[in-house]
Amino acid sequence: AQKVTQAQTEISVVEKEDVTLDCVYETRDTTYYLFWYKQPPSGELVFLIRRNSFDEQNEISGRYSWNFQKSTSSFNFTITASQVVDSAVYFCALVRGNEKLTFGTGTRLTIIP
Amino acid sequence: DTGVSQNPRHKITKRGQNVTFRCDPISEHNRLYWYRQTLGQGPEFLTYFQNEAQLEKSRLLSDRFSAERPKGSFSTLEIQRTEQGDSAMYLCASSLARKDRKQETQYFGPGTRLLVL
Repeated sequence: AQKVTQAQTEISVVEKEDVTLDCVYETRDTTYYLFWYKQPPSGELVFLIRRNSFDEQNEISGRYSWNFQKSTSSFNFTITASQVVDSAVYFCALVRGNEKLTFGTGTRLTIIP
Repeated sequence: DTGVSQNPRHKITKRGQNVTFRCDPISEHNRLYWYRQTLGQGPEFLTYFQNEAQLEKSRLLSDRFSAERPKGSFSTLEIQRTEQGDSAMYLCASSLARKDRKQETQYFGPGTRLLVL
């Protein structure tokens, strides 16, 4: 069975602060993929990043960075210099092969101007 | 390149009525997924298709739910005899499954928000 845990239900930070969203996963598979999606108030899930289990390199994309650590089964997401437009619900998800995504319960991020 | 589209965006219905939702995937994508999301939760898998074949159905998909993808392009999700517990956001996603089985990203549509009164 696969499971994704996002222990932070809600986070609020003041604009320009850095914020890290935690994601811990469980799987017995050796090959799997991890994702982060953003869900703004409009409701559409926006793809942010995909990572496979064999690539533990951290990734940076503009103000966004991701820290993947297999040793702790974590795939954390950091936003640097947060902006009001970053306010959304963020979901971490896990999948193996071409099959269904298993999502966490999401973290609601509010950036206070 | 257009994204995944879903219609309608909102649906209000009375308990006991039937409803049907449509999803149009990204044109070259051969896999299509349906998920359901209730308030405060992450999306939960319902079913998926590769081309016109329905490959897996979740136990969440009761007998009142049926999904089709008749020509391997758009898909419909029908709920018969709706119940208040069916109120949720229904999300569709598509991806391109490759022969090497490397995971391809699922891209989501805007969802159909269903309210059963």
